[in-house]
Amino acid sequence: GAGVSQSPSNKVTEKGKDVELRCDPISGHTALYWYRQSLGQGLEFLIYFQGNSAPDKSGLPSDRFSAERTGGSVSTLTIQRTQQEDSAVYLCASSQATGGAGSNYGYTFGSGTRLTVV
Amino acid sequence: DAKTTQPPSMDCAEGRAANLPCNHSTISGNEYVYWYRQIHSQGPQYIIHGLKNNETNEMASLIITEDRKSSTLILPHATLRDTAVYYCIVRGLSSNTGKLIFGQGTTLQVKP
Repeated sequence: GAGVSQSPSNKVTEKGKDVELRCDPISGHTALYWYRQSLGQGLEFLIYFQGNSAPDKSGLPSDRFSAERTGGSVSTLTIQRTQQEDSAVYLCASSQATGGAGSNYGYTFGSGTRLTVV
Repeated sequence: DAKTTQPPSMDCAEGRAANLPCNHSTISGNEYVYWYRQIHSQGPQYIIHGLKNNETNEMASLIITEDRKSSTLILPHATLRDTAVYYCIVRGLSSNTGKLIFGQGTTLQVKP
């Protein structure tokens, strides 16, 4: 597609339920990133996928959070047993990690999923 | 990746140039300077990036000092739609972590 697509755009869930957030990156982009942004806060890195390499999970806040990327394209972020502090906008981005001098490592972000845990 | 320092907020009059500074005194030779902005309720948007030469595109200009320890993003004719949080990020292309780390950025308020 022309941009990074995220679904759903809004999700309200009850505390303790599991949720799945989906990200469709730009076709051909080998790198995919998940961030979250709590109200009035900056962007917090969660996880990064690059090709077939093991993902960088260093930003996941707890073992309730996991993500996978199937076939090098679509990614799903799963939050188990949601808590109220998980309420945030979850942003996905993709980029061409082609390397080399002058390469544009510019990310393209999706519009995010606003998660509200009640 | 090097850390950056930006003022938390700035104002600019509509139609005037907005000059947003960024300090990155610990930048190393292979690290690029990237600028992104985030308009309210939207995902961040890439603006421009550079290594050591000044860069210009349809959105902005990036001026990097000769010692590369600081840079300035210039929006030549700011409009109300340029009101956003602007992030300056330093990252090396050789970095094997791949991720961009966003700081708190500068909130630019363009006023009529």
